[in-house]
Amino acid sequence: RKEVEQDPGPFNVPEGATVAFNCTYSNSASQSFFWYRQDCRKEPKLLMSVYSSGNEDGRFTAQLNRASQYISLLIRDSKLSDSATYLCVVVSGYSTLTFGKGTMLLVSP
Amino acid sequence: GAVVSQHPSWVICKSGTSVKIECRSLDFQATTMFWYRQFPKQSLMLMATSNEGSKATYEQGVEKDKFLINHASLTLSTLTVTSAHPEDSSFYICSAREQLAGIYNEQFFGPGTRLTVL
Repeated sequence: RKEVEQDPGPFNVPEGATVAFNCTYSNSASQSFFWYRQDCRKEPKLLMSVYSSGNEDGRFTAQLNRASQYISLLIRDSKLSDSATYLCVVVSGYSTLTFGKGTMLLVSP
Repeated sequence: GAVVSQHPSWVICKSGTSVKIECRSLDFQATTMFWYRQFPKQSLMLMATSNEGSKATYEQGVEKDKFLINHASLTLSTLTVTSAHPEDSSFYICSAREQLAGIYNEQFFGPGTRLTVL
C-alpha cells in the first residue's frame, strides 16, 4: 500500500458545484495532516490543516478520520480559481512530509 | 507566511555539466532545509534534509555524491546536481523550516527550479 494515496482525477466540475476529495494514508503513527494546493509549474502552498474535529475555512472543509486513516477535503461553491492540483500531505515525526500525487480539479464556467 | 527564494527558476544545460541551485530563507533563520524533486504528474519526493552546519541526510535511492547539498548558513542551502543527465531533468523544490523544538513547524516552499538537461 502506498504511503499516501489520492485519486489523481481530473475532477471536472462546473462553477458553483461542491466537490470532495479523499486521501488515505498507511502510517498509523502519522501525526499531522495537511492539504496543499499546487498550481501548474508552481510550488505547493499550504491550504489548510486537518484535524479530527474538522477544520473549516470559508468554502473549504477538511476532515480527518484516524480510525479509517483517511482525510477529506470538501470545496463548496467552486470557483474557476479553484482549478489546481490538491495535495494530501501526511507528517510523521516532526518534519517528514509525505506527499500524495495530488488530485487535479478543473472548474469550468 | 515566510518567504523562501530559489535561484535559478529554470535552467537548461548540456549533459555532463553541473548545476547549482540556491535556496534562501529571506525573513527567518532556517535551521533545516529540505530538497524535493517532482517529475511530471508525480508527487513531490523528498531527496534530502539538510541541517545548518552538518551533513545532509539523504533519502534512500538518492545518490549523495551526485546531489551535493551544502547548508553553510541559516539562510542558505545549495543543491548541486553533478554531471547532470537527461534523467535528472525535473522540478526541484526546496523548503525551509524554522526549528521549534518538539512540535511540527510549517515548511515554507521555494518557487522551484525547473532543470532541463539536454
